[in-house]
Amino acid sequence: SQKIEQNSEALNIQEGKTATLTCNYTNYSPAYLQWYRQDPGRGPVFLLLIRENEKEKRKERLKVTFDTTLKQSLFHITASQPADSATYLCAPGGTGTASKLTFGTGTRLQVTL
Amino acid sequence: DGGITQSPKYLFRKEGQNVTLSCEQNLNHDAMYWYRQDPGQGLRLIYYSQIVNDFQKGDIAEGYSVSREKKESFPLTVTSAQKNPTAFYLCASSTRPGVGAEAFFGQGTRLTVV
Repeated sequence: SQKIEQNSEALNIQEGKTATLTCNYTNYSPAYLQWYRQDPGRGPVFLLLIRENEKEKRKERLKVTFDTTLKQSLFHITASQPADSATYLCAPGGTGTASKLTFGTGTRLQVTL
Repeated sequence: DGGITQSPKYLFRKEGQNVTLSCEQNLNHDAMYWYRQDPGQGLRLIYYSQIVNDFQKGDIAEGYSVSREKKESFPLTVTSAQKNPTAFYLCASSTRPGVGAEAFFGQGTRLTVV
């Protein structure tokens, strides 16, 4: 069955450093991969989408890579700030059964001063 | 303002009762989704609908039911058959499914069995 894995342990980093989160998927070939941010008690908010024919996508301090050979996406936040502290979720998707929008378990990021 | 609205924000249910969670969107989105989130866990898909009058089971549909009679509305009923319904429930919508359209989420309903 399709499986989406994110590091379940919280990632603690110092302000100003680059945070790198990992999303691995197995048993399917998504046409794209989305990243969302979720704050406690709130619904997730969309951040970025990267398609299978794109190696890298950037938006302000965010960068996403997509390696279809490794079946992995990396999500980077450069110059991290305490306001970046949240849970980040990946969602690989595509057509057919992959269009149903399923999420990884999420990784909690904590940025400290 | 356009958006997706869930109600109520908090809901208490007695064991053995059915309850219905409301989800309404005025974004003219075709696809709608229901997720369950337990403390410290990710989102698990309960049901999804890509078009009016059609819906599919997600990964944890047992004990839940839905309807999609109108494009704007996708209510979720938590039945008495759901053995552990206490959780945070999230509804989402998006435009054309399968092409990467971003999903918009409601603010969630926190259901507690008392």
